[in-house]
Amino acid sequence: AQRVTQPEKLLSVFKGAPVELKCNYSYSGSPELFWYVQYSRQRLQLLLRHISRESIKGFTADLNKGETSFHLKKPFAQEEDSAMYYCALLMDTGRRALTFGSGTRLQVQP
Amino acid sequence: SAVISQKPSRDICQRGTSLTIQCQVDSQVTMMFWYRQQPGQSLTLIATANQGSEATYESGFVIDKFPISRPNLTFSTLTVSNMSPEDSSIYLCSVGMGGNLPAYGYTFGSGTRLTVV
Repeated sequence: AQRVTQPEKLLSVFKGAPVELKCNYSYSGSPELFWYVQYSRQRLQLLLRHISRESIKGFTADLNKGETSFHLKKPFAQEEDSAMYYCALLMDTGRRALTFGSGTRLQVQP
Repeated sequence: SAVISQKPSRDICQRGTSLTIQCQVDSQVTMMFWYRQQPGQSLTLIATANQGSEATYESGFVIDKFPISRPNLTFSTLTVSNMSPEDSSIYLCSVGMGGNLPAYGYTFGSGTRLTVV
């Protein structure tokens, strides 16, 4: 069965520091990976997906199939980046719903 | 992307009662899902709502407890039946298109925060 692991429940950094939110997955097929973000009192929204290879709000994520990882990175954290971040996986066959990791809360301190 | 209206946004219910949550989408979508997010935990898929047929439930979720309707491509309901305090959670509707996902992926409703007392 597929699984998404986010090992850190909370990541606290200072403004301007680099950020890396870790995500590892297990799945035997070719998954699509996503990062979703939930700001305070807002709904869950897509941040980025690996196939688009875009940088959104300064965040990037590279799919590493060898290490089965999809870590989210930003070189300089901003206070407005404080939010809950979820890594999610979509299988290439079968069920078309997302499988989510447990989430990491990012706190960016001034 | 699709815009979802989910109602109610929150409710406090007595144990043993039932609550029906509505998910209305402003455009036709092929995929509709219901998730549960228990306090401090991640999103867990309850079921896929299928238009015109019975929902497909995930392991640990049954139709008698979580009956789902999907009469058309823009609307679905989830009922939480015979509630107990353990059902206190946020319930989320999610929609998307089948086949290759568009750039915006799946869209989520704002959630229904349910407290059972």
